[in-house]
Amino acid sequence: SSELTQDPAVSVALGQTVRITCQGDSLRRYYASWYQQKPGQAPVLIIYGKNNRPSGIPDRFSGSSSGNTASLTITGAQAEDEADYYCNSRDSSHNHWVFGGGTKLTV
Amino acid sequence: EVQLVESGGGLIQPGGSLRLSCAASGFTVSSHYMSWVRQAPGKGLEWVSVIYGGGATNYADSVKGRFTISRDNSKNTLYLEMNSLSAEDTAVYYCARQEDWGFDYWGQGTLVTVSS
Repeated sequence: SSELTQDPAVSVALGQTVRITCQGDSLRRYYASWYQQKPGQAPVLIIYGKNNRPSGIPDRFSGSSSGNTASLTITGAQAEDEADYYCNSRDSSHNHWVFGGGTKLTV
Repeated sequence: EVQLVESGGGLIQPGGSLRLSCAASGFTVSSHYMSWVRQAPGKGLEWVSVIYGGGATNYADSVKGRFTISRDNSKNTLYLEMNSLSAEDTAVYYCARQEDWGFDYWGQGTLVTVSS
């Protein structure tokens, strides 16, 4: 099975830029998708594919990928961006999906 | 508007069984992948199972042989039948509409607590 590894916690000053990373062998083959989850709420898709945002997601969120690492960048972090962030991709078997352990972002 | 509403969670004794439902509206479940994802208290997300548009299914190793995913096209509803439950299955269970690139819509979740 495949694993996706994320830093457990990251902090950023208000208005600054932060990058959250996700590492895993499956990312050499598949793009990651990224989810934001606030306490007591369901996850929300914020980035998918090469660098696509669903409707309603602010353009300060962007995604990128290189080798076995996917990154979520927040340019000009806002107080409302404080949340848990999870990456996800298919695993190497192609038939399962796997989530990273999550990164708690403090703004 | 796409909506997913889960139900069926609750308190169940170890070894027991439970069936979760996820009523969908705004789209047709049989035209999409549909998955269950769970989150244990204070923990991260764990993918549990998927049913493809054609009806094929797949499961995480942690639930294979104990859980069964299915759908009723006439009711546009997704199900998760859970057997031989243990404390490790305690979690909020989310249903999610899935495309090849990710999970684009999620329900609000239903809590399953396995405890004596």
